[in-house]
Amino acid sequence: DSGVTQTPKHLITATGQRVTLRCSPRSGDLSVYWYQQSLDQGLQFLIQYYNGEERAKGNILERFSAQQFPDLHSELNLSSLELGDSALYFCASSGWDRGAYEQYFGPGTRLTVT
Amino acid sequence: AQKVTQAQTEISVVEKEDVTLDCVYETRDTTYYLFWYKQPPSGELVFLIRRNSFDEQNEISGRYSWNFQKSTSSFNFTITASQVVDSAVYFCALSGKDTGANSKLTFGKGITLSVRP
Repeated sequence: DSGVTQTPKHLITATGQRVTLRCSPRSGDLSVYWYQQSLDQGLQFLIQYYNGEERAKGNILERFSAQQFPDLHSELNLSSLELGDSALYFCASSGWDRGAYEQYFGPGTRLTVT
Repeated sequence: AQKVTQAQTEISVVEKEDVTLDCVYETRDTTYYLFWYKQPPSGELVFLIRRNSFDEQNEISGRYSWNFQKSTSSFNFTITASQVVDSAVYFCALSGKDTGANSKLTFGKGITLSVRP
């Protein structure tokens, strides 16, 4: 168990809808990363937050947004969903461990858009 | 830009065979980290190893060993005496320093390893 929790585990929704994925980092970790794993794009970085502020952005669509709250949990909002958004979405939190920052991954949220 | 190439896409071996998974990376950073993750059929990402760019010592952990060669920008992973439980997708990944904007993980496409009994 990495200590990172993600809810829900599975999500099935229709095209055009909006969903929110939630991530709680390990206790004390300030950084949260979101990654998307799809069959055609593989595992790719979406966005990073550090202590409530956006730190880096990757290949994140404009229909997607994220935020990190004062209690450090993070939410990824996906709107106007398309079939191609079906993927496994991972959250990771980063903390100092054994001489470097380590990213610990949550179990993922599997999103199916029908 | 950072890039990780895992040229092998699928490997199939018989139990007890040794298997090496290749990883080649590109980065302009002088300090960086390399990782291997395992993704079993259940879907979670399991951390296997992190290697710092300034530490080229090879590492062995049980049946697993890693060979880091800066000269060829490679970080290969060998499983000795493979077992059926080793069947999974294996990802090599690269990140820059610490918590900054370059700390995101860049993943390779992954290698699907099937170990047959």
